[in-house]
Amino acid sequence: EAGVVQSPRYKIIEKKQPVAFWCNPISGHNTLYWYLQNLGQGPELLIRYENEEAVDDSQLPKDRFSAERLKGVDSTLKIQPAELGDSAVYLCASSLGAVRGAPYNEQFFGPGTRLTVL
Amino acid sequence: GQNIDQPTEMTATEGAIVQINCTYQTSGFNGLFWYQQHAGEAPTFLSYNVLDGLEEKGRFSSFLSRSKGYSYLLLKELQMKDSASYLCAVSPTDKLIFGTGTRLQVFP
Repeated sequence: EAGVVQSPRYKIIEKKQPVAFWCNPISGHNTLYWYLQNLGQGPELLIRYENEEAVDDSQLPKDRFSAERLKGVDSTLKIQPAELGDSAVYLCASSLGAVRGAPYNEQFFGPGTRLTVL
Repeated sequence: GQNIDQPTEMTATEGAIVQINCTYQTSGFNGLFWYQQHAGEAPTFLSYNVLDGLEEKGRFSSFLSRSKGYSYLLLKELQMKDSASYLCAVSPTDKLIFGTGTRLQVFP
């Protein structure tokens, strides 16, 4: 079974340019997450989707960041315009969501996109 | 507020045992997760605790004390491949709050 797929793996752009990241979750996973991970830090949640609905975007900087999950499968995360401080790894994760009888809701992570803003 | 603390770095010798501690203060608790993350790779699930006590899974064990807001990950018979970051994450509701991670270096 394929894991969470992300592209591109690496992206280098100049500040003020736009950038987009793509994520394909594990088949059948209704919940999708975008995280930001700075060097030496743990992942920080940006947005969480249940199917196509964004149910938690409280940590998403909405002035420059946007996300969508059309048809409740693939998702894209966009930054426009990018700033120097946006340099980080952007992780996508997916899970089945809360399942009755399941002891926990394990999140499966993709390899991430490493963004460098010059 | 939400706060999760774990040591930044640890070192150990191949074949030894190491314990990585995690303390937390969160509004709500639905369980505590440990993830392993090798440099440049995705975090991968190691363990989950929601009740007090020890969960053992091969060379790895995880302990939880909810009253103390404390957990530890115990790695036995360390191997070189165990060199990685270990992330403690708490689920206060239906999302994960991660600590900064503990970078473990295993030396021969």
